[in-house]
Amino acid sequence: AQTVTQSQPEMSVQEAETVTLSCTYDTSESDYYLFWYKQPPSRQMILVIRQEAYKQQNATENRFSVNFQKAAKSFSLKISDSQLGDAAMYFCAYVSSGNTGKLIFGQGTTLQVKP
Amino acid sequence: DAGVTQSPTHLIKTRGQQVTLRCSPKSGHDTVSWYQQALGQGPQFIFQYYEEEERQRGNFPDRFSGHQFPNYSSELNVNALLLGDSALYLCASSFPGGNSYNSPLHFGNGTRLTVT
Repeated sequence: AQTVTQSQPEMSVQEAETVTLSCTYDTSESDYYLFWYKQPPSRQMILVIRQEAYKQQNATENRFSVNFQKAAKSFSLKISDSQLGDAAMYFCAYVSSGNTGKLIFGQGTTLQVKP
Repeated sequence: DAGVTQSPTHLIKTRGQQVTLRCSPKSGHDTVSWYQQALGQGPQFIFQYYEEEERQRGNFPDRFSGHQFPNYSSELNVNALLLGDSALYLCASSFPGGNSYNSPLHFGNGTRLTVT
């Protein structure tokens, strides 16, 4: 069975600094997708960034980038120039390419941004 | 363009009761998935509906059932409520046929269910 592990329950960063959130996953499949979602106090899950497993190039979305290490099954999120609005719970998620909709989430990392 | 809407926002029920949660997908979406998120945990997949049929199901007992209507809206029903059913229930919608990468899930704000 596929699993997703986030080993950092809480992280903090100073405003304008850079922070990296860790995520590892376990799967025997070769074709899958990985996501980072943000969940602010409003509770709505917001897609931050996504990565296709067969693409070696790391995805980037403005201040957000990932370090995807397929062999190590690692998918970390880097937030540059952190802003107060980045404070939220962040979830790493995995989905098999043949299993649309059934995301497997990690336990989450609460990110605090200090002014 | 309305996103995913869920109702009610909060709900308090007693053990043994039954509850129905509702979800309207984002405009243009016709696939609906339901997730259960316990406090401080990541969401867990309950099931997915497409073309008014349950297409996939996670590891949840039969007490959890659902329905999708011709207008693509969906309901989640939970019978014989247990204290452990207390959680945030999230609904997510997506385009049909496309994979999860090209059609990522759009989530609603969830329904907070408390079972006493």
